[in-house]
Amino acid sequence: GAVVSQHPSRVICKSGTSVKIECRSLDFQATTMFWYRQFPKQSLMLMATSNEGSKATYEQGVEKDKFLINHASLTLSTLTVTSAHPEDSSFYICSARYSDLEGGDFGPGTRLTVL
Amino acid sequence: AQSVAQPEDQVNVAEGNPLTVKCTYSVSGNPYLFWYVQYPNRGLQFLLKYITGDNLVKGSYGFEAEFNKSQTSFHLKKPSALVSDSALYFCAVRDIGVMDSSYKLIFGSGTRLLVRP
Repeated sequence: GAVVSQHPSRVICKSGTSVKIECRSLDFQATTMFWYRQFPKQSLMLMATSNEGSKATYEQGVEKDKFLINHASLTLSTLTVTSAHPEDSSFYICSARYSDLEGGDFGPGTRLTVL
Repeated sequence: AQSVAQPEDQVNVAEGNPLTVKCTYSVSGNPYLFWYVQYPNRGLQFLLKYITGDNLVKGSYGFEAEFNKSQTSFHLKKPSALVSDSALYFCAVRDIGVMDSSYKLIFGSGTRLLVRP
């Protein structure tokens, strides 16, 4: 089946630093990738939608200058949390989709802790 | 506006008993419906989906879901629960009435399933 990977799985950083999270579709070309944020015991909150070669579409309330998304190829999207602060600590999950009939395959998530 | 509701924060069931995790939806047009499962500190795993056809959809790990248009529901079911089924379950919906390849999934709040031995 389709596999989506994320790297790193866990990252701890100091406040003010930037963190990059990679999302890769391993065995298919993803027309669209999504980035979600999940707080403890809560549902997924969609942050942005990215299509290869074009600018990401951010959800209302998500700062595009803080959460930089690059979708350089059909198999790779990156999320960079710039100047991270403790309130950015969260579980970040990406999803990749190859067909409009699919809900998407999800990566295993990245646990970000900002000290 | 499209929405999905999972009215139960937690469902408790004994191993071997049938389980139901409830989901209701509200969308314009015909819905695509999905169920996903999440284990601790992991991403979501696809269980099943309804697009069209039979109202009873069979998915992974013995799960099934019944689409009920009149009640706008898509409850997840399993005839005999396993302890290993204990996890967080999410219902999601997509409205196919929108001609946009970047459609979004709308997730419910999640239901924690606890299967006791």
